[in-house]
Amino acid sequence: AQKITQTQPGMFVQEKEAVTLDCTYDTSDPSYGLFWYKQPSSGEMIFLIYQGSYDQQNATEGRYSLNFQKARKSANLVISASQLGDSAMYFCAMREGIGNEKLTFGTGTRLTIIP
Amino acid sequence: AAGVIQSPRHLIKEKRETATLKCYPIPRHDTVYWYQQGPGQDPQFLISFYEKMQSDKGSIPDRFSAQQFSDYHSELNMSSLELGDSALYFCASSAGTVKDNEQFFGPGTRLTVL
Repeated sequence: AQKITQTQPGMFVQEKEAVTLDCTYDTSDPSYGLFWYKQPSSGEMIFLIYQGSYDQQNATEGRYSLNFQKARKSANLVISASQLGDSAMYFCAMREGIGNEKLTFGTGTRLTIIP
Repeated sequence: AAGVIQSPRHLIKEKRETATLKCYPIPRHDTVYWYQQGPGQDPQFLISFYEKMQSDKGSIPDRFSAQQFSDYHSELNMSSLELGDSALYFCASSAGTVKDNEQFFGPGTRLTVL
């Protein structure tokens, strides 16, 4: 079974609108972490936001917030007031366990912001 | 702030040749991870090292080997290169003291096998 599922291969959003990128995960480990990374066309992998499985509140980092619904095993990324520079590939990833564990990535969502 | 350094940034090799990719983690980071991202694919975990010992192994071909040195830098050695090895290779580093074991990615090495 897929550990990380991103069901939106591509999205087009008007500039200044908010956008939600979906991510569901599958794990039986009670300790895990969920990450979102942005990959622009230049290729680098840019960390955006992190949510731990025991965190009580949804993570926020500037215009990024993570809508964490533990019972539904979803960790959607919300980008407010989208900008042209937000156009990129977005990956959801999970780390299982509490140590220095590897990341498992979803297949990504290509976000295009329309002026 | 110092970031993860990878060299070279681009590499072109012929089939059956060998390649060595280098990774210099963020200072005081004790764990290094290698990921392979094929064209249009998501990154796949290859191997990781913690305190110079292999800590986990993913879908790394037998033709590949890696190690972490005393200064914590890591090298990924790839032999008998195949066309399918063409990919973006990321190195990431983390430290137990860093918030939530966040993994910081390097800029990647783009390997093209002709």
